[in-house]
Amino acid sequence: ETGVTQSPTHLIKTRGQQVTLRCSSQSGHNTVSWYQQALGQGPQFIFQYYREEENGRGNFPPRFSGLQFPNYSSELNVNALELDDSALYLCASSPRDTGRANVLTFGAGSRLTVL
Amino acid sequence: QQQVKQSPQSLIVQKGGIPIINCAYENTAFDYFPWYQQFPGKGPALLIAIRPDVSEKKEGRFTISFNKSAKQFSLHIMDSQPGDSATYFCAASKDILDLIFGKGTKLSVKP
Repeated sequence: ETGVTQSPTHLIKTRGQQVTLRCSSQSGHNTVSWYQQALGQGPQFIFQYYREEENGRGNFPPRFSGLQFPNYSSELNVNALELDDSALYLCASSPRDTGRANVLTFGAGSRLTVL
Repeated sequence: QQQVKQSPQSLIVQKGGIPIINCAYENTAFDYFPWYQQFPGKGPALLIAIRPDVSEKKEGRFTISFNKSAKQFSLHIMDSQPGDSATYFCAASKDILDLIFGKGTKLSVKP
């Protein structure tokens, strides 16, 4: 059983640029959630994707957007990067239809630094 | 508005001690309360979780105590080991949408 894999692991961007982060969900999981974890903080919910549609969103501006593909993998896109976007971006998958939907399996994250 | 408050921010115990981490929540609609463990360079991993219809749950050396009336829950780690040194996050959730995390507790278990 493969876990959640994310890429890239680290990246550096400059303010105003755009970034795309990728996530492959765990085998058998059909729901993907994205979280932002600032240094020394707990993860904050960005949004969740289920059946290729956004299923809920946290308090993040529209420049944070995402996609889910038919194979349940997902992308997080952030436009017009700001310095405060520097964080660890975590992808988590879950088996929504099995009654264990809250059991999130996290990837190791993508560390984004905005200069 | 922080909906889940976690304390302490950091904790140092000796091997064999019983660290206790506390969390308080505000939203009475929350119905799922997990604890996650995170090692440096890794994503959070689910440790143990509880629903509000029980007051305690034990899995191995980890125990959650839940007080619904006080809107508080805590994690106890029995016979703590240096390998338990990590950051622990409590969280709460309503339905299946998202998890609201606490700010984390950095635990250090000294040999």
